[in-house]
Amino acid sequence: GQQVMQIPQYQHVQEGEDFTTYCNSSTTLSNIQWYKQRPGGHPVFLIQLVKSGEVKKQKRLTFQFGEAKKNSSLHITATQTTDVGTYFCAGRAAGNKLTFGGGTRVLVKP
Amino acid sequence: DTAVSQTPKYLVTQMGNDKSIKCEQNLGHDTMYWYKQDSKKFLKIMFSYNNKELIINETVPNRFSPKSPDKAHLNLHINSLELGDSAVYFCASSRDLSIRNEQFFGPGTRLTVL
Repeated sequence: GQQVMQIPQYQHVQEGEDFTTYCNSSTTLSNIQWYKQRPGGHPVFLIQLVKSGEVKKQKRLTFQFGEAKKNSSLHITATQTTDVGTYFCAGRAAGNKLTFGGGTRVLVKP
Repeated sequence: DTAVSQTPKYLVTQMGNDKSIKCEQNLGHDTMYWYKQDSKKFLKIMFSYNNKELIINETVPNRFSPKSPDKAHLNLHINSLELGDSAVYFCASSRDLSIRNEQFFGPGTRLTVL
């Protein structure tokens, strides 16, 4: 079945630094979504990518969909303490089922 | 107004008991879901309903029985609770089954089985 993997599982970042988290699918995806879950909270939708090679920005967050539509990345610049949380990618392949990756848990050192 | 609400927020119970979690969405969505999030944060879909009809039933033990009395509600009943059922259960909804719809999650129900 479809698998979606995220690396790294944990990301310790110094406040002010940049980092990237990666999402890889075992199958070609129709689209990919990113969600953020704050500690003790619930996943909240951030963005969706649909087109091959698509790049979208939300302030300090840059999302990219790979050319083959099998991978995606989230890059955060100048990390702030408000960026703490777990970032999930979720991909849809055939069958319309949204499969979540294992998440990247981001911890920010002030 | 809370878009997707769940009750209770916390549930602590003994092994072998039966319990229910309720979910309601006021977004007018057609599709609702139940997810299980374990201690390692893995988010796994359990069930999906569209207009009260079961669409997805992942390999979940038949001790778990979802019920959708109307498209705004999707409840989860669990029989004979086991230690491994301890997790956070999230309800979610989306406008419909279109692949481009985002999902809106409820606040979660933290279930602890002793």
